[in-house]
Amino acid sequence: EAGVAQSPRYKIIEKRQSVAFWCNPISGHATLYWYQQILGQGPKLLIQFQNNGVVDDSQLPKDRFSAERLKGVDSTLKIQPAKLEDSAVYLCASSSGTYPHNEQFFGPGTRLTVL
Amino acid sequence: AQTVTQSQPEMSVQEAETVTLSCTYDTSESNYYLFWYKQPPSRQMILVIRQEAYKQQNATENRFSVNFQKAAKSFSLKISDSQLGDTAMYFCAFIEYNFNKFYFGSGTKLNVKP
Repeated sequence: EAGVAQSPRYKIIEKRQSVAFWCNPISGHATLYWYQQILGQGPKLLIQFQNNGVVDDSQLPKDRFSAERLKGVDSTLKIQPAKLEDSAVYLCASSSGTYPHNEQFFGPGTRLTVL
Repeated sequence: AQTVTQSQPEMSVQEAETVTLSCTYDTSESNYYLFWYKQPPSRQMILVIRQEAYKQQNATENRFSVNFQKAAKSFSLKISDSQLGDTAMYFCAFIEYNFNKFYFGSGTKLNVKP
C-alpha cells in the first residue's frame, strides 16, 4: 500500500511570494488533514476534509491560506502572500475515517522557509 | 474544549532502560481514542500505539505499552529496553469517536543515550 505523498519536500521563498503544496492521500481514504508544524511544536490542524467537503478550517488563516481537495482525492494548500512566521513543516495526513481504523497516516511533509 | 498536555518537553534515558512519557487530556466525551505517535529526526510521523477509551485493558505493542487511567484522563507511554532508534519526538494525540478530529500535544523529545 502506497503511503501519503507530498511535494515538494523543501521550498524556500521570499516573504510576500506565493507557494503551493500538493498532497496525494492513501487510496480510498476519505479524510484528509493539513497540519502546520513549527519547529519544536506539535502539529496544528489547519484544515480537515471529508471527501471533498471541508469539515474544519477554524485555524486556517483564510486571509492568506487556501486549500482545496479536487474530486475527494488530491489536495493543494496555498499560501499567498507568505509571511516569515509561515516557516514550518506542512504535514498532510489521511485516514479512512471509519471505526476502528481512524489512524492517521502522515506524509513526509514539506519544509517551507520564508526569507 | 478538548486539550492534550504533555508536561515533559524533553527526556533522556540510557539504552536498555525503561522510560515513561506522560500525557493528560481533557474531554467531556466518553467515546474516544488515544494515540502515541513517534517522529524521528527529519523523518515522518508514525503510529506507535493506540488505545480505545472503552477498553479497560492497556494496549501493548512489543516494547511499548500504555497506562490508561480514564478517570484521571491520563495516558502515559512506557518504553521498555530503550533502543537508540527510539530517539525521536513523541506526540500524544486524542480523537473523538464521532468527530474524526485530532488534537495533538506539544510533544516530548526523547533522547536515548548509548
